[in-house]
Amino acid sequence: NAGVTQTPKFRVLKTGQSMTLLCAQDMNHEYMYWYRQDPGMGLRLIHYSVGEGTTAKGEVPDGYNVSRLKKQNFLLGLESAAPSQTSVYFCASRERFGRYYGYTFGSGTRLTVV
Amino acid sequence: DQQVKQNSPSLSVQEGRISILNCDYTNSMFDYFLWYKKYPAEGPTFLISISSIKDKNEDGRFTVFLNKSAKHLSLHIVPSQPGDSAVYFCAASALNQFYFGTGTSLTVIP
Repeated sequence: NAGVTQTPKFRVLKTGQSMTLLCAQDMNHEYMYWYRQDPGMGLRLIHYSVGEGTTAKGEVPDGYNVSRLKKQNFLLGLESAAPSQTSVYFCASRERFGRYYGYTFGSGTRLTVV
Repeated sequence: DQQVKQNSPSLSVQEGRISILNCDYTNSMFDYFLWYKKYPAEGPTFLISISSIKDKNEDGRFTVFLNKSAKHLSLHIVPSQPGDSAVYFCAASALNQFYFGTGTSLTVIP
């Protein structure tokens, strides 16, 4: 049982390049999230999904797109990378029901845009 | 605008003593609160949570206190151990979204 898996773990992009970050979970969770972590800023929500085929914007969605074509996968895309998108990206998932509905996080993707 | 705030970026405590980490929030709609622990190069892991209908929840060495009138949350670790050294995030939940604080880096000195 792998939990939440993020690929890649590290990436360096040139300004203007595009890339897709993949998040996969094997827990049959309904909800999935993409966060970015920056020094002094905590974890900020980029986009989230409450089920297959649905997505919604979070706090900082500009410059990113997402897709949830399959329940177990949540993709985060950068169409034209900018240095301001240098960050550590975390994917998370959670169950829909139940008293305990905390997140399970992936181990992160460290992205540098030069 | 930060809805969940951790005003202490860092905290150092002697091994065996109590660690107290604080968190303040602004949104009265938050109904569930959590603490996460994060080691370098790893994702955050769930530590302990509390519902807004309670004011205390205890799990071993970890206790979370909630003061709704003050919109204040705290995590107590007793006794503190060197393995507790990590960054601690508090989080608050409303509807489908969780809001995280900026984190407090705890160092437990042997």
